[in-house]
Amino acid sequence: DGGITQSPKYLFRKEGQNVTLSCEQNLNHDAMYWYRQDPGQGLRLIYYSQIVNDFQKGDIAEGYSVSREKKESFPLTVTSAQKNPTAFYLCASIAGTRGVYGYTFGSGTRLTVV
Amino acid sequence: GENVEQHPSTLSVQEGDSAVIKCTYSDSASNYFPWYKQELGKGPQLIIDIRSNVGEKKDQRIAVTLNKTAKHFSLHITETQPEDSAVYFCAASSGGYQKVTFGTGTKLQVIP
Repeated sequence: DGGITQSPKYLFRKEGQNVTLSCEQNLNHDAMYWYRQDPGQGLRLIYYSQIVNDFQKGDIAEGYSVSREKKESFPLTVTSAQKNPTAFYLCASIAGTRGVYGYTFGSGTRLTVV
Repeated sequence: GENVEQHPSTLSVQEGDSAVIKCTYSDSASNYFPWYKQELGKGPQLIIDIRSNVGEKKDQRIAVTLNKTAKHFSLHITETQPEDSAVYFCAASSGGYQKVTFGTGTKLQVIP
C-alpha cells in the first residue's frame, strides 16, 4: 500500500541536542511538507520541497533544517537552536502540479524535550 | 497572506444530530478548500474538498458548501455517529504546490 511513513512515533530529546525525524513516501509525489502541530492550534508550515535538491522555508523555519536528496525522502532536523521543540510533527506530500489536490499525511512524530 | 478562521473550537452533539463547522478565508485567490479529520494520535486525513467553481459537494453523510462572495465555507455532517468524534480542520489554498493555510481546528464530540 502506498503512503507516508514517519519514524520514530515518539522521540525524546535532551536540551542542546539535534534530532532528525524521518519521512519516507512511496506515492511518487513530487512535493513534500513538514508541519508542526501544537495543542489547540492549527498546523504551521516549517519547510516544503517541490523537487529533489530544492526546498523553501515555511512560516516557522527557524531552528529547523531539511534535505531532499531523494524524491522519496524528506528528513527534518530539529536543532538546538529551536527554543521550544516539544510538539507533534507531521510530514505530508501532494501529487503533481496539475489541478489541486489534498495532502496525504503521515502518522506523525511526537517530540518531547526532557 | 491567507488567513483562515474556523468556528467553533469545540462542538458536542448527540448521536444522530447534525454538526456544522464554519470557516472564513481572506485571500480571494484561494480556489481549493479541503477538510481534514484527525483522530487522536494520528495524522489528518482528507475527507472532502471543494473547488471554487462549485458551490456544494456531498459524499454520503458529509457535505461542504462554499460561498465565494462572502469568502466562507462550511462542513456539514448529518446523522452523526460516535466514530465521527475527532478534530476537524478546514484549509484554503490557491492550488498547485502553493502553501495550504489551515484553520485552528474543531474538536467534535458525538455523545452516544
